[in-house]
Amino acid sequence: GAGVSQTPSNKVTEKGKYVELRCDPISGHTALYWYRQSLGQGPEFLIYFQGTGAADDSGLPNDRFFAVRPEGSVSTLKIQRTERGDSAVYLCASRRDRGVGEAFFGQGTRLTVV
Amino acid sequence: DAKTTQPPSMDCAEGRAANLPCNHSTISGNEYVYWYRQIHSQGPQYIIHGLKNNETNEMASLIITEDRKSSTLILPHATLRDTAVYYCIVRVTGGSYIPTFGRGTSLIVHP
Repeated sequence: GAGVSQTPSNKVTEKGKYVELRCDPISGHTALYWYRQSLGQGPEFLIYFQGTGAADDSGLPNDRFFAVRPEGSVSTLKIQRTERGDSAVYLCASRRDRGVGEAFFGQGTRLTVV
Repeated sequence: DAKTTQPPSMDCAEGRAANLPCNHSTISGNEYVYWYRQIHSQGPQYIIHGLKNNETNEMASLIITEDRKSSTLILPHATLRDTAVYYCIVRVTGGSYIPTFGRGTSLIVHP
């Protein structure tokens, strides 16, 4: 498909476990964003990639959260020692480049920590 | 980026126009107004954006006041499928752009 793809769509994990969430952006989009959304809230920014580098990671809540984008395309959000408070929908978005233009969002990964 | 203020909820009858307001009184000259919406269980979807002039596309119209301190998103003939949370975002041109979402307006379109 031509849109942003996120896998898995749902993930249930036990407290303390490690999880990886994957994002496949639209081909050719250099900008990639991760957000987290809790029930009843707007998406909360986590990290922004421009190419392979994290241009802004100021939204990552703590050092248990980490994201990579080694080849400037697919990105993986990694969460260590998951806590119940990490339960949320994790959204990924991509944009063609800097400047004016819209961001395209994936459907999200619903993470539940039990 | 300038902050925005939106009413938490609105409702509209199917077939009527839905007018969603957004206040961005601290907007600066190089900041665009963007609108996104999020239908339940989906990611946000871009609707429209503008700088000074009113804009229209196949989804909606965007009316920006002359002083640019507020704007209105207009869905001319709302349908049940337009029920969603609508987000108004203000951002600068160029450079890094990180869409920053508030809580938006929950629009319910009823039969």
